[in-house]
Amino acid sequence: EVQLLESGGGLVQPGGSLRLSCAASGFTFSNHAMSWVRQAPGKEPEWVSAITNNGGTTYYSDSVKGRFTISRDNSKNRLFLQMNSLREEDTAIYYCTKEEWSLSQPRLDFWGQGNLVRVSS
Amino acid sequence: EFVLTQSPGTLSLSPGERATLSCRASQSIARTDLAWYQQKPGQAPRLLIYATSSRATGIPNRFSGSGSGTDFTLTINRLEPEDFAVYYCQRSSNQWKFGQGTKVEIK
Repeated sequence: EVQLLESGGGLVQPGGSLRLSCAASGFTFSNHAMSWVRQAPGKEPEWVSAITNNGGTTYYSDSVKGRFTISRDNSKNRLFLQMNSLREEDTAIYYCTKEEWSLSQPRLDFWGQGNLVRVSS
Repeated sequence: EFVLTQSPGTLSLSPGERATLSCRASQSIARTDLAWYQQKPGQAPRLLIYATSSRATGIPNRFSGSGSGTDFTLTINRLEPEDFAVYYCQRSSNQWKFGQGTKVEIK
């Protein structure tokens, strides 16, 4: 059974930093690209960042580029999101998601339960 | 900027009725790149449909997807009580983009 378990969220002041972690199990982690998706209260999900299976290539939305860094440790089946210079508009539930690209039909087929990040003074 | 526009914003239906949800893209996308997700309150989104019409594992066959180009549709036949939720379409790519959602509520 695929499981994605996020941790590391919480309350932080504007300008502060947080590091999210996602522990993956139930699939061959090193074979899959991964993404972080966030969802502000009452809004649609917003893709934040992605990383290829070997960590060699990363992608970021314009809203977080230069402030957030995605990384992974395939030896420990873990995904990370380092968030710096946090703003109030970064307040959201952050989801760790597994990408599936088989048959050239991309989708986010598994999601973690989500971790709340709240940026407030 | 690429945009996905979903309609209607809210759909009020009774159990047993059919729901038809629309997703319009601001530019043409490949059929392989359109997915649908269901989200219930307090839960993460769940993949329902990918590549326009392929059901994800465990998704009942009352859920179906269709469309091409810029116009895509999610149809839910014979709504069950557990189907009342918010539905999002999504363009799948290296920069995943979501629509604003359609809420299917009990009439």
